[in-house]
Amino acid sequence: DAGVIQSPRHEVTEMGQEVTLRCKPISGHDYLFWYRQTMMRGLELLIYFNNNVPIDDSGMPEDRFSAKMPNASFSTLKIQPSEPRDSAVYFCASSVTVNQPQHFGDGTRLSIL
Amino acid sequence: TQLLEQSPQFLSIQEGENLTVYCNSSSVFSSLQWYRQEPGEGPVLLVTVVTGGEVKKLKRLTFQFGDARKDSSLHITAAQPGDTGLYLCAGVVYSGGGADGLTFGKGTHLIIQP
Repeated sequence: DAGVIQSPRHEVTEMGQEVTLRCKPISGHDYLFWYRQTMMRGLELLIYFNNNVPIDDSGMPEDRFSAKMPNASFSTLKIQPSEPRDSAVYFCASSVTVNQPQHFGDGTRLSIL
Repeated sequence: TQLLEQSPQFLSIQEGENLTVYCNSSSVFSSLQWYRQEPGEGPVLLVTVVTGGEVKKLKRLTFQFGDARKDSSLHITAAQPGDTGLYLCAGVVYSGGGADGLTFGKGTHLIIQP
């Protein structure tokens, strides 16, 4: 059974450019989470969805960040315009319920020059 | 906001030694999960503890949930290089509106030297 699939694995772009990260959750999982991981701040929850509906976006740093989940099998996290301080590893995770163990993708390593 | 403090932040020991890492909070958790993350990969669940005082064993790894459900520890016996990784704890708190989701600690970076 396929796990959580993220793309791309690596992204290097110049500041000011739009960045789109993609995630396919595990089939049957009703919850999808987006995290950002840095050495300084660890794993930070950005936003999570339940049945494709955003539930808590309080972790989204600012208006430059947006996330969508148009259907149960796909979600995007978009940064526009990107800045060097957005450089981090972004993880997507899914779970059956909000407090059940989460299954993580392998992440997208984002570098903004 | 619930805060999970993990200690130590970094730990480097020789193969064969024992070690304990800690996860502490002032909040009470309904359950607590431990994950291990290897370089270039996402965190992977190791265990979930639910009951205060609960002890779970996974081969050479022993997980304990504090009696008050505010803290947890992970003890590794005879550490091996394959144990190297980032160990994360994550707690679940229930508020009046239901489960608030997982709160992750910053993790313990563990290096086991051959």
